[in-house]
Amino acid sequence: AQKVTQAQTEISVVEKEDVTLDCVYETRDTTYYLFWYKQPPSGELVFLIRRNSFDEQNEISGRYSWNFQKSTSSFNFTITASQVVDSAVYFCALTRNSGNTPLVFGKGTRLSVIA
Amino acid sequence: EPEVTQTPSHQVTQMGQEVILRCVPISNHLYFYWYRQILGQKVEFLVSFYNNEISEKSEIFDDQFSVERPDGSNFTLKIRSTKLEDSAMYFCASRQVISGETQYFGPGTRLLVL
Repeated sequence: AQKVTQAQTEISVVEKEDVTLDCVYETRDTTYYLFWYKQPPSGELVFLIRRNSFDEQNEISGRYSWNFQKSTSSFNFTITASQVVDSAVYFCALTRNSGNTPLVFGKGTRLSVIA
Repeated sequence: EPEVTQTPSHQVTQMGQEVILRCVPISNHLYFYWYRQILGQKVEFLVSFYNNEISEKSEIFDDQFSVERPDGSNFTLKIRSTKLEDSAMYFCASRQVISGETQYFGPGTRLLVL
């Protein structure tokens, strides 16, 4: 069975601080995909990144960066110089690389960035 | 940029009533999904759909639920006899054919059962 754990339920930071959101996953599959989604207060789910299990390169997109480490089954997300608009719930998710399989989500981390 | 749309954005219904939630997936996507999120909790999978049939469903998706693609664009979730515990945000998602491709989510329908 697949499982995603986001141990941090809530994090509060002051604007301009860096913050890392942790994600640990469990799967027996050798190929799989990992995702991060953002859920702002308005409620929609916004796709941020997809990473396949063969690609362990870290990725940077503006103030966002992701650190995928297969050895520790982790896919952590860092926001540099956080802004108030980053306040949201962030979900890590996992899916198999076969067929029409669903996403398995973690419980999410609520990030509050205080001005 | 193409996006998944859902209607209505909010629905209030009485317990025992039937509701139909509607979704228009992205036009070149062939895989469709429904997920639900009870307030303050994680997003949970309900059902996946491909080629006019259900591919996979979760334990939540019992006989009270059904899905349909009545025409070339809409994808619907019907709850036959709503219960209080069906109150949640319901998300539709779609993706292209390639395995592992990103699922794009609609804005959700917030369902409140009284």
